[in-house]
Amino acid sequence: EPEVTQTPSHQVTQMGQEVILRCVPISNHLYFYWYRQILGQKVEFLVSFYNNEISEKSEIFDDQFSVERPDGSNFTLKIRSTKLEDSAMYFCASDRGSGNTIYFGEGSWLTVV
Amino acid sequence: EDQVTQSPEALRLQEGESSSLNCSYTVSGLRGLFWYRQDPGKGPEFLFTLYSAGEEKEKERLKATLTKKESFLHITAPKPEDSATYLCAVQAHNFNKFYFGSGTKLNVKP
Repeated sequence: EPEVTQTPSHQVTQMGQEVILRCVPISNHLYFYWYRQILGQKVEFLVSFYNNEISEKSEIFDDQFSVERPDGSNFTLKIRSTKLEDSAMYFCASDRGSGNTIYFGEGSWLTVV
Repeated sequence: EDQVTQSPEALRLQEGESSSLNCSYTVSGLRGLFWYRQDPGKGPEFLFTLYSAGEEKEKERLKATLTKKESFLHITAPKPEDSATYLCAVQAHNFNKFYFGSGTKLNVKP
């Protein structure tokens, strides 16, 4: 069964460093997402991406964050100048279109020290 | 403001003891309500999608139902392997994103 794959599964970074989280969405999906889950808290929406541009973003997704689809298969989340409070599990997700099920990857656990 | 509330926060059951989890929502124009299972340190695993009031979906020991204000996830004769956090999420018509509830952490004891 097709699945969303994410790398790395776990990354530890120094505060202030830049991090890139990578995702390969399901191949025939059109919408791509990043969500995050701080330990013990809700899964929170960060951004959705369609047709090579951001379609929606939350208030969390400020100038520190950016997304890119550098080629036909990868979807990345860049976090510039990481802060301690960026420590969380970041989930990539994708779906075929509005109203369809969103499928999640296994997550990238980011620890900022 | 669109909201999703799940109850209870945690539920402990004996193996075979059936129960229900609740997800109440307020959203402007529901496009879909989704149930996911999440194991510790893992991504949400899709279980069901419900689109309209009165709809029901079943999978093994799980059955999801939907009304205009809430959804229930019924667990019949649960087994220890059903232990996980169950997440409810809603998608509104105007937005291409999910609002997640805080989840119900289910623990099934043998």
